[in-house]
Amino acid sequence: GAGVSQSPSNKVTEKGKDVELRCDPISGHTALYWYRQSLGQGLEFLIYFQGNSAPDKSGLPSDRFSAERTGGSVSTLTIQRTQQEDSAVYLCASSLGGQPGANVLTFGAGSRLTVL
Amino acid sequence: GESVGLHLPTLSVQEGDNSIINCAYSNSASDYFIWYKQESGKGPQFIIDIRSNMDKRQGQRVTVLLNKTVKHLSLQIAATQPGDSAVYFCAENFGGTSYGKLTFGQGTILTVHP
Repeated sequence: GAGVSQSPSNKVTEKGKDVELRCDPISGHTALYWYRQSLGQGLEFLIYFQGNSAPDKSGLPSDRFSAERTGGSVSTLTIQRTQQEDSAVYLCASSLGGQPGANVLTFGAGSRLTVL
Repeated sequence: GESVGLHLPTLSVQEGDNSIINCAYSNSASDYFIWYKQESGKGPQFIIDIRSNMDKRQGQRVTVLLNKTVKHLSLQIAATQPGDSAVYFCAENFGGTSYGKLTFGQGTILTVHP
């Protein structure tokens, strides 16, 4: 598609359940990012994939969070044993990678997660 | 950085006025800065960026100013329109391997009155 696609757009789950959030980046974009946005807050970096390199996981808040990117395209963010503080909008972005100017992030609309 | 807490800074202007949104960034080693606009229910949208070797950059109706001495970034919007109403975020990058790994400010709410 023309933009970054995320699903589901909304997810309500019970505390302790696992959730998976999906991101379809723009075709040809080699870099993919996950960010989290809590209510009324700025975006918080979670993880970054670039081509076939090992992902930069430095922003993941705990070992309950993991992400994969299969075939250099679609990515899945998994949150295990969800907690109420995980409630947020999870945003995916993709870019061409490389130097500034060629690395402008295009964001999806996000997946809103609510943990009851 | 921008104000901490649940209450975002707000700016209200009349249509046609010029708007200035300010941001204090945190890391003197940051070498790349970006402004994003976020409308309700949507992801952030790129507006303009600037590298640390510049102090001003202009786009269409927007200008970004960078003052590294006081670690301050501003976004100027000329002839503000109702469609400019949104939350505006500044973001900085510490360099390294990815210019997309950004630290965002908490945002400023811009409301444009017709």
